Amino acid sequence: TQLLEQSPQFLSIQEGENLTVYCNSSSVFSSLQWYRQEPGEGPVLLVTVVTGGEVKKLKRLTFQFGDARKDSSLHITAAQTGDTGLYLCTAYNNAGNMLTFGGGTRLMVKP
Amino acid sequence: NAGVMQNPRHLVRRRGQEARLRCSPMKGHSHVYWYRQLPEEGLKFMVYLQKENIIDESGMPKERFSAEFPKEGPSILRIQQVVRGDSAAYFCASSPRTGGSGANVLTFGAGSRLTVL
Repeated sequence: TQLLEQSPQFLSIQEGENLTVYCNSSSVFSSLQWYRQEPGEGPVLLVTVVTGGEVKKLKRLTFQFGDARKDSSLHITAAQTGDTGLYLCTAYNNAGNMLTFGGGTRLMVKP
Repeated sequence: NAGVMQNPRHLVRRRGQEARLRCSPMKGHSHVYWYRQLPEEGLKFMVYLQKENIIDESGMPKERFSAEFPKEGPSILRIQQVVRGDSAAYFCASSPRTGGSGANVLTFGAGSRLTVL
């Protein structure tokens, strides 16, 4: 069974602070995706990382895929209240036919 | 620019009743996935369907739950004889092709929230 472990589960910070959330597994993935889910809505794709060691930037968000393609991190610089939400990492199972989700990191950015 | 449409958005049922959740995928998408999300948790895979075929139902409870994606019309997730533990948000996602590739993106609907009294 492929498991994606996300940490921390909950994070509450002040606006303007930096933060990093993690997604770890013992499995190797061909690609890994990060989604953000806001209350009452479905998840929305933020980024897909494919190559080991890859770094992708999306404005204040920086995504990194581990060299061994087993883990990933999401760093947010100068967090804003609009960053509040549930951040989910996902990867395809071995059969390649469905996404496995981590438990998510619930981020609260306070003004 | 219709995305994945789910209805109803909210459904209340009493124990023992049936719940039917509908999902219309994005135009041009022939792959549909259903996920369940309990409060304060991530999404758990339930079933993956293509038109008229169930490809993977490994995440679906063996009893009371069924899913279909007919040739015409939306995908349906059906829960018979609902119990309180079925209360959750049920999300549908669609994609134009099967997964495994980083280029394959799932688009999610806004979810259907089932409350069992």
